[in-house]
This record gives sequence, C-alpha cells and structure tokens, in this order.
Amino acid sequence: GAVVSQHPSWVICKSGTSVKIECRSLDFQATTMFWYRQFPKQSLMLMATSNEGSKATYEQGVEKDKFLINHASLTLSTLTVTSAHPEDSSFYICSALSTSGYEQYFGPGTRLTVT
Amino acid sequence: RKEVEQDPGPFNVPEGATVAFNCTYSNSASQSFFWYRQDCRKEPKLLMSVYSSGNEDGRFTAQLNRASQYISLLIRDSKLSDSATYLCVVNTNFGNEKLTFGTGTRLTIIP
Repeated sequence: GAVVSQHPSWVICKSGTSVKIECRSLDFQATTMFWYRQFPKQSLMLMATSNEGSKATYEQGVEKDKFLINHASLTLSTLTVTSAHPEDSSFYICSALSTSGYEQYFGPGTRLTVT
Repeated sequence: RKEVEQDPGPFNVPEGATVAFNCTYSNSASQSFFWYRQDCRKEPKLLMSVYSSGNEDGRFTAQLNRASQYISLLIRDSKLSDSATYLCVVNTNFGNEKLTFGTGTRLTIIP
C-alpha cells in the first residue's frame, strides 16, 4: 500500500525557535497533502491543505504566517512552525491524497514539544 | 452542533463479545464516510470505507443511513488487538477531499 513518512518523529525545541517537519509520499505522487494537529484526548483538526506548486489553503483560525507550508514537489510537503511557543506543543500529522483522489494515507506523525 | 459526533466511551468489552459504535454527521451533503482506527500515540489508519449498501470486512461491518445521517460500526468476536480509538470520518466538502474527524470512541477489550 501507499506509504507516507514524516521526519522527525519527535522534536523538542525551545520557545521562540522554528521547527520544520517534512512529509513525504514514498511510492506515489501526491498533488495534495494535508496537515493536521491533534492535542491530547482530542480529535485530528485540519490545519491546511497543501497543493503542489501553489499556495496552501489554511483553515479558519490557523495563522498562515506562523505555520508555513511548502509543497515544492509531488512527493514532499513541509510544515514550518515559526517562533514556536509551548501552546504549539502537539502531535502534527500529515496525509497524502491517493492518485485516485479518494483515500488519504497518513504519515506516522511528529510529536512537537516546545519548552 | 459538531459536524461529526461520536460517543467518546470508553467501552470496556470482554474478549469475544460484539460491540457497536455509532456516529452522526450534520452536513446532509456529505459524500464519503470512513472508519479509522487510531492506536495510542500513533497516526490514524483506515479501517474501512462506508457505503450506502453497507459493507463487511471480516469481523467488521459498517452501515450508513443517509436519511438519519447516521453511521455505525459493528465488531464481532472482538480480539484484544481491537483495543484502540475508532474515529468516524466524513468528507464534507466534495471535490477537495477535506476530512472531518469525530473525537473518537475509545475501545478496550478485556481478556
């Protein structure tokens, strides 16, 4: 089946620094990828839709200048959390839309802790 | 009202029992429906899609009632490995494939 990887799997950073998370589709091309965030005991919340070669579409309430998304190729999307604060600590998960456009394949997630 | 609502549980069920989860969605224009499974501190994984005619995959049966905007998942002969959080997921924006997740139902199978 389709495989999506994320890197890093976990990261601890200091408040005020920036963190980049990579999402790769390993065996298929994905023109559309999605970035989600999940806080403890809560469901996944869509942050933004990442489209290859164009600007990302952000959900209401998500600051596009704080969460920078770059989808530079058909197999890679990156999410950069700029000037991270402790309240940004969360589980960040990406998904890639299948070539059929029907299923989403999820990466293993990145656990971010901001101290 | 939440777009996708689930009973959060937890459901503690003895091994071998049958358990059913329910989910309701608010957008009558929703097009696609799924059940995902999420283990602790892991990403969600697709368990099965849900079709109007109902569908079965081994011990798992999913049903969709569009009139009542209701989705169900039935697990028969539950195994210890079925312990997880089950997420009801709806595609509420046909064309851009955005998924809306329910908060999940926590299931623990007891030996």
